Amino acid sequence: GQNIDQPTEMTATEGAIVQINCTYQTSGFNGLFWYQQHAGEAPTFLSYNVLDGLEEKGRFSSFLSRSKGYSYLLLKELQMKDSASYLCAVRERQNSGYALNFGKGTSLLVTP
Amino acid sequence: KAGVTQTPRYLIKTRGQQVTLSCSPISGHRSVSWYQQTPGQGLQFLFEYFSETQRNKGNFPGRFSGRQFSNSRSEMNVSTLELGDSALYLCASSLGGPNNEQFFGPGTRLTVL
Repeated sequence: GQNIDQPTEMTATEGAIVQINCTYQTSGFNGLFWYQQHAGEAPTFLSYNVLDGLEEKGRFSSFLSRSKGYSYLLLKELQMKDSASYLCAVRERQNSGYALNFGKGTSLLVTP
Repeated sequence: KAGVTQTPRYLIKTRGQQVTLSCSPISGHRSVSWYQQTPGQGLQFLFEYFSETQRNKGNFPGRFSGRQFSNSRSEMNVSTLELGDSALYLCASSLGGPNNEQFFGPGTRLTVL
């Protein structure tokens, strides 16, 4: 994940909107994923982008610009339960398969 | 449909020992990937197996190895354990295609003393 950058920590208020950015560098791009991971739990899938543009899924949206190597995850109407680590992951074509390389995650704290 | 299961959930070993971790994928999933998660390095890709063949490998030393059985269950082995191998080991299964999402198991927490 050394070529995938995202902020280490963010804080936002309940009910607000927060945007978590992710930049990446890769030669074999084959899609970008966002995962949510609560402390002590396994990552769970949030969204997937392979083409440029915005994908919306309820309170969560994800945007991708392949030419800029940039994505963001937008969380609306924040709830306390959204406090978690958000992982940006880039799938890269390698050898005969695909590797999913993760950023180090952004720890989001939602405050009352 | 049962999720991805991993055994054991917790493990304590000493330096120099070897360890084997097990992962049972979601029924019908043929791809199993293994990851190491540490606070400093985050989630790092170890390897991926598909139909009993290692399809891809990350940048880990040869002490880390794995295999996959005909029922898609996978095992990961770490030999000559080092203190730095203490981590959460996660496996994830998918159908194996390029657009398929990965479903993660709960992980095995390995502590090396």
